[in-house]
Amino acid sequence: AQKVTQAQTEISVVEKEDVTLDCVYETRDTTYYLFWYKQPPSGELVFLIRRNSFDEQNEISGRYSWNFQKSTSSFNFTITASQVVDSAVYFCALSGGNGGSQGNLIFGKGTKLSVKP
Amino acid sequence: KAGVTQTPRYLIKTRGQQVTLSCSPISGHRSVSWYQQTPGQGLQFLFEYFSETQRNKGNFPGRFSGRQFSNSRSEMNVSTLELGDSALYLCASSLDRWDEQYFGPGTRLTVT
Repeated sequence: AQKVTQAQTEISVVEKEDVTLDCVYETRDTTYYLFWYKQPPSGELVFLIRRNSFDEQNEISGRYSWNFQKSTSSFNFTITASQVVDSAVYFCALSGGNGGSQGNLIFGKGTKLSVKP
Repeated sequence: KAGVTQTPRYLIKTRGQQVTLSCSPISGHRSVSWYQQTPGQGLQFLFEYFSETQRNKGNFPGRFSGRQFSNSRSEMNVSTLELGDSALYLCASSLDRWDEQYFGPGTRLTVT
């Protein structure tokens, strides 16, 4: 069965601290995709990144970086120099099979990040 | 480019009633998926539609149904509403089934 685990329910940091959000996944598919979404208080899920199972290269986008390791089935997300605007719930998700089709996402429970000034 | 739009944004219904929610995907997107978000169960997949055909269905009772029209707009229907159906219903669209999904603002349904 496919599963996404985000063990950290809530994290609180002070502005400018670095923070890493953990994500561990389970799947038997050889082709799959991993995602991170941000859900601010307004409720709309904002797409952050997608990685496919064949690309383990780490990615950096501004203050955001992602570390994908197939050996440990992890896809962790780091925010460098956090800001108050980063406060949100962050979800890690896995494509639900069907040869890599991404219309059926399996989400973790989310990590609520609070960044205090 | 306009994002995914969902109507209505808020809805209050009584147990036993039925409800229809609407989703308009981003222009050019042909795939639409629906998700239910509750505090207890989190985000759960409901359906996926592509080219007016349901491609995938989540583990929900038959009271939950949906459809997609030729212009890619989608509707979902919940019949015989139960208190547990109170949730945020999110619609997502993507260019194709193998592309990343973009979510709408959701419809918050309250069943009393």
